[in-house]
Amino acid sequence: GAGVSQSPSNKVTEKGKDVELRCDPISGHTALYWYRQSLGQGLEFLIYFQGNSAPDKSGLPSDRFSAERTGGSVSTLTIQRTQQEDSAVYLCASSPRTRAEQFFGPGTRLTVL
Amino acid sequence: QKEVEQNSGPLSVPEGAIASLNCTYSDRGSQSFFWYRQYSGKSPELIMSIYSNGDKEDGRFTAQLNKASQYVSLLIRDSQPSDSATYLCAVRGRDDKIIFGKGTRLHILP
Repeated sequence: GAGVSQSPSNKVTEKGKDVELRCDPISGHTALYWYRQSLGQGLEFLIYFQGNSAPDKSGLPSDRFSAERTGGSVSTLTIQRTQQEDSAVYLCASSPRTRAEQFFGPGTRLTVL
Repeated sequence: QKEVEQNSGPLSVPEGAIASLNCTYSDRGSQSFFWYRQYSGKSPELIMSIYSNGDKEDGRFTAQLNKASQYVSLLIRDSQPSDSATYLCAVRGRDDKIIFGKGTRLHILP
């Protein structure tokens, strides 16, 4: 079946602009995670959605970052007033409720000029 | 603060030898443990999961878990150049959140 998809694959923006990153999880997966990975670094947890529960936003680095998950499926990560330090690969992963393995999408490479 | 610790490496292993990757975690209530492989410029790919103490084997890979010591490891037998990658340890806690270590870079020497 189809895996996790993300769009766009690459995004170049100017400092101060807002960006939206999209994630389509695997059908039927109830958990969805967003991570950020800077060049040569590990995965930084951003936010976690599980079913209809309130999301765990504890990893969001500032109030410029927000995420939504509509209908328990597609998620959008929004970064307002982008800064150069926001440049990274943003990875989305989904996981079925009864098993915790995560399956990652290909990522969105964000470059803030 | 829940943490997952890995040696960043690089770990250099001759082709055909056993590569041993280690990971420790701080949350004693952790439930599930995973190893991911990440090639440069690619997304992480799940290679092993383990949920109970002991060893779990899958082909050339063996995951080992010791909850009392809060330690999980990955052994790669008959290492191949294609195994050269960064290996990420991930731990799922009681809150269902999955925390990743920073990864160990593995280099298989031909």
